[in-house]
Amino acid sequence: DTEVTQTPKHLVMGMTNKKSLKCEQHMGHRAMYWYKQKAKKPPELMFVYSYEKLSINESVPSRFSPECPNSSLLNLHLHALQPEDSALYLCASSQESGGDQETQYFGPGTRLLVL
Amino acid sequence: LAKTTQPISMDSYEGQEVNITCSHNNIATNDYITWYQQFPSQGPRFIIQGYKTKVTNEVASLFIPADRKSSTLSLPRVSLSDTAVYYCLVGDSTGGFKTIFGAGTRLFVKA
Repeated sequence: DTEVTQTPKHLVMGMTNKKSLKCEQHMGHRAMYWYKQKAKKPPELMFVYSYEKLSINESVPSRFSPECPNSSLLNLHLHALQPEDSALYLCASSQESGGDQETQYFGPGTRLLVL
Repeated sequence: LAKTTQPISMDSYEGQEVNITCSHNNIATNDYITWYQQFPSQGPRFIIQGYKTKVTNEVASLFIPADRKSSTLSLPRVSLSDTAVYYCLVGDSTGGFKTIFGAGTRLFVKA
């Protein structure tokens, strides 16, 4: 199973809402990532978890809160978002200790619209 | 982090070979070069990775000259389904998990 799944596929939320994005992989990978991708732009790294510990936070606003409950799951909690946060949110995983040579497996993404 | 530069877009016809070149002048000794493909509304998909010389798999070939300051992704006999954005990435040799995507090349394959 080389699949990374993400739910929901689409999400519309108001600026006062609280919602969560979920990501799951069953490949035994120990590194998991969140990316944000705006239209016609490349993915931008937001967070990296390694062995369920947050290892990289790319200066992401606190209205985005990541959580890694176990080695297979990754959540992104959203609160008080702004319309400019509307984007495709991608989850990815890689095998073990990271490093630039590790292949990342991406999910299909959650398309988020903030009204 | 080594910065990458790719053409913004390319057009091709079905059955042709497509070569996409990526410049990475500041590549470090330990950095690998990786290419991903992305279709609209999907996550990127790994295509190929290399360190030096030539790498080939069932999908593509990757040519890396001796100075490693550039690399060329070669797609043999493209089809309409190869229309996508292709990203060249150069890893962070300081370690860790940072992945910086370049701007990408939009390949449009015509019939």
